Amino acid sequence: NAGVTQTPKFHILKIGQSMTLQCTQDMNHNYMYWYRQDPGMGLKLIYYSVGAGITDKGEVPNGYNVSRSTTEDFPLRLELAAPSQTSVYFCASSRGTAGYTFGSGTRLTVV
Amino acid sequence: QQQVKQSPQSLIVQKGGISIINCAYENTAFDYFPWYQQFPGKGPALLIAIRPDVSEKKEGRFTISFNKSAKQFSLHIMDSQPGDSATYFCAAWSTLGRLYFGRGTQLTVWP
Repeated sequence: NAGVTQTPKFHILKIGQSMTLQCTQDMNHNYMYWYRQDPGMGLKLIYYSVGAGITDKGEVPNGYNVSRSTTEDFPLRLELAAPSQTSVYFCASSRGTAGYTFGSGTRLTVV
Repeated sequence: QQQVKQSPQSLIVQKGGISIINCAYENTAFDYFPWYQQFPGKGPALLIAIRPDVSEKKEGRFTISFNKSAKQFSLHIMDSQPGDSATYFCAAWSTLGRLYFGRGTQLTVWP
C-alpha cells in the first residue's frame, strides 16, 4: 500500500516560473489537503478538497491553485513563483476523523 | 487567529523523564483531537488521538489527557527516549472537514 505519494521530492524554481506539485493517494479517501510548513510556523493549510470536483481555500491560498478531477489525485499549481513560496509542501488525505495520512513532502526553493 | 494554541515551542528532557506538551482550543464544535509526530525530513504521522467524551487515552508510553470544560488537552510521554526526539503537533478536527494544527513542539531527549 503506497499511501500518499508526492512528487517531486525536491525542486528549485526560478522566480516567475510555474510548476505543479503532484499528489496521489490509493486509499480511496474523500478528503485531501495541501499544507506548507515553514520553520517554527507549523502547518498552514493552502487548499483542501472534500471530494472529487470540490475544492476550498485554506488559510494561505494566494499564489496557488488546485483541481480535483479524480478521488486519487490532488495536484497543486504554483503560478508566477515568488521567494515567499520557498517551503516544504505536504499533501495529506483522510477518510474523516480517522486522521490524516501525510505524504513525505516536497521541498521547494524559489530563487 | 490560531484555532489551536500549543506550548511550549521547544522542550528538552533527559532520558527517562516525562515530556509534557499542552494545547488549548476555543471552538467547542471540535470533536476529535489527534497528535502527530514528525521526524526531520518526513511527513507528520498520527501518534495518538482522543475524542471529547473521554478524559484520558493511553497507548504505551504516550498518554493524552483531555479537559473538556477547560478546552485543553495535553500529551505526556513517559520514560522519554532519544528516539522520541521529534516535532509534535496537536490538532483538532472541524466538522468542515479539516484539522486545525498547533504550531508544533520540538522535543529533544538527551541520553
